[in-house]
Amino acid sequence: GAGVSQSPSNKVTEKGKDVELRCDPISGHTALYWYRQSLGQGLEFLIYFQGNSAPDKSGLPSDRFSAERTGGSVSTLTIQRTQQEDSAVYLCASSLIPFYGYTFGSGTRLTVV
Amino acid sequence: SQQGEEDPQALSIQEGENATMNCSYKTSINNLQWYRQNSGRGLVHLILIRSNEREKHSGRLRVTLDTSKKSSSLLITASRAADTASYFCATDDGETSGSRLTFGEGTQLTVNP
Repeated sequence: GAGVSQSPSNKVTEKGKDVELRCDPISGHTALYWYRQSLGQGLEFLIYFQGNSAPDKSGLPSDRFSAERTGGSVSTLTIQRTQQEDSAVYLCASSLIPFYGYTFGSGTRLTVV
Repeated sequence: SQQGEEDPQALSIQEGENATMNCSYKTSINNLQWYRQNSGRGLVHLILIRSNEREKHSGRLRVTLDTSKKSSSLLITASRAADTASYFCATDDGETSGSRLTFGEGTQLTVNP
């Protein structure tokens, strides 16, 4: 596609429920990244994909967080048993060359109530 | 701790004035990148400067890099109201070949018409 697409744009969920966030990167971009941004804060790295594999998932905050990427394209970030501290904007980015010139999506704003 | 830290945290200027934002980092880098984030949107890549470069220009943007001081500055000349956004610097880890970007907490720039 023309840009990085994320869905849903907004998600309100009850504490304890599971959520799935989707990222559709720019066609041909083999590198894909997930970041989390809390209100007024910088970006917290979560995970990096090169193709379908995740060489760096050191940023996932707990085992409730997991991510996968299939077909070298779409990625899903799953948060199980959501907690209030999971509330944030989850940003996905992709790049043609790893770690150079990221293109970000508009994010998914997750609110856990 | 954050690899890149921007200052000031917030900057308010009049249209037509120049805006300067600074970024400091702790470890060696391969490159440093600047991004802009409009409210409620994803980040947009502005410019990349490599560790062996000292200055780079792109339109009204001028970026400098001083590796001896581990600092960079972003200058926006002849600012416009549309430049109102948060600006982030992002650095990789120069000790590692191919490392993910770490973002600072950003500078909120407000350009008053």
